[in-house]
Amino acid sequence: DAGVTQSPTHLIKTRGQQVTLRCSPKSGHDTVSWYQQALGQGPQFIFQYYEEEERQRGNFPDRFSGHQFPNYSSELNVNALLLGDSALYLCASSSSGTTEWYEQYFGPGTRLTVT
Amino acid sequence: KQEVTQIPAALSVPEGENLVLNCSFTDSAIYNLQWFRQDPGKGLTSLLLIQSSQREQTSGRLNASLDKSSGRSTLYIAASQPGDSATYLCAPNPYGQNFVFGPGTRLSVLP
Repeated sequence: DAGVTQSPTHLIKTRGQQVTLRCSPKSGHDTVSWYQQALGQGPQFIFQYYEEEERQRGNFPDRFSGHQFPNYSSELNVNALLLGDSALYLCASSSSGTTEWYEQYFGPGTRLTVT
Repeated sequence: KQEVTQIPAALSVPEGENLVLNCSFTDSAIYNLQWFRQDPGKGLTSLLLIQSSQREQTSGRLNASLDKSSGRSTLYIAASQPGDSATYLCAPNPYGQNFVFGPGTRLSVLP
């Protein structure tokens, strides 16, 4: 049973560019959340997708956007990259249809470096 | 707004010691609380999930307790091993919302 997968593993971009990160949820999960983790800090919630719609959003600018596909996989897009966007981006999935709703399973993350 | 603190920020202990990691949160209206482990540069591994109706949860050498009314959770690690070295994060989950993470406790277990 595959867990949460993310791609790419590492990414280097230049200020002003755009980036797309991808996430495939754990088998049987239908909800995907994205987090940003700066070095030495805990993850911060960006947004959550359920039924192909953004259900909740954290305190992140509109430069951060996402999408969920019918197969529940998800993308995180960041436009006009800033140096401060350099971080580990984590994807987490959960299932809305079980008693373990809200138990989140995390992927290995994508390390984004903006130069 | 939920705020989470973890004490201590860092801990270094010799192998074999029992230790306690503390997590405090300001909003007691939570659905559950999850403890995670994170190795450097890696994703988060779930250790224990405690539902709001529970007071304790155990897995092997790990035991987590939850006192929702006082906004506290503790993670107890018995007979620590060098392989336990990692950052430990707690995340209380508000009803219908997403996890708010603490800053973590960085644990180093010396052989």
